[in-house]
Amino acid sequence: QLQLQQSGPGLVKPSETLSLTCTVSGGSISSNIYYWGWIRQPPGKGLEWIGGIYSGGNTYYSPSLKSRVTLSVDSSKNQFSLKLSSVTAADTAVYYCATPKEYSSSRNFQHWGQGTLVAVSS
Amino acid sequence: YVLTQPPSVSVAPGKTASITCGGNDIGSKSVHWYQQKPGQAPVLIISYDTDRPSGIPERFSGSNSGNTATLTISRVEAGDEAAYYCQFWDSSSDHFVVFGGGTKLTVL
Repeated sequence: QLQLQQSGPGLVKPSETLSLTCTVSGGSISSNIYYWGWIRQPPGKGLEWIGGIYSGGNTYYSPSLKSRVTLSVDSSKNQFSLKLSSVTAADTAVYYCATPKEYSSSRNFQHWGQGTLVAVSS
Repeated sequence: YVLTQPPSVSVAPGKTASITCGGNDIGSKSVHWYQQKPGQAPVLIISYDTDRPSGIPERFSGSNSGNTATLTISRVEAGDEAAYYCQFWDSSSDHFVVFGGGTKLTVL
């Protein structure tokens, strides 16, 4: 069973860069999964897609965040990562990594990380 | 592309709850549904309009036609109280993912 384990700081200062990593276990990030995504959820609000990377390398971002987001995959470490620059209080949220079911091309998210609450505050 | 859900739905135990997800010609697209309980990550409960992933009770079902996709929960239990989100994934040029605003299901 594929598992996603998130890591990264829970507090980031305004104007700095938020960095989170998602480590995949129970499978190979490079052969089993075709898409790695990030989703966030501000406190008390709904889910917001941040962006994702396809296995072929193509990356797509939410238009509202595109200028500040960088996604990457490190196959050697079985990890994928999110960087969000120039953060403000509006970026305070629970951040999730998520992937479709392994060995599938499903357009949904079967596997989710545990979530990381990131607060932006000085 | 916008997916519109009612903010809240209330239902008595044992009854049937219907949660809608509105979108322009959504019936021509594939819609997925998630259940999220407080403090937990979302769980996929309906895939591709009507399919239930392994382990999801038969009480959960979905449909999609015209401008509305619907999640139906039969014989509602107290444990079904949660937020429910619909989701669409555009596989054309933009490859964007959209979630509905979410519906809080309250079991009376």
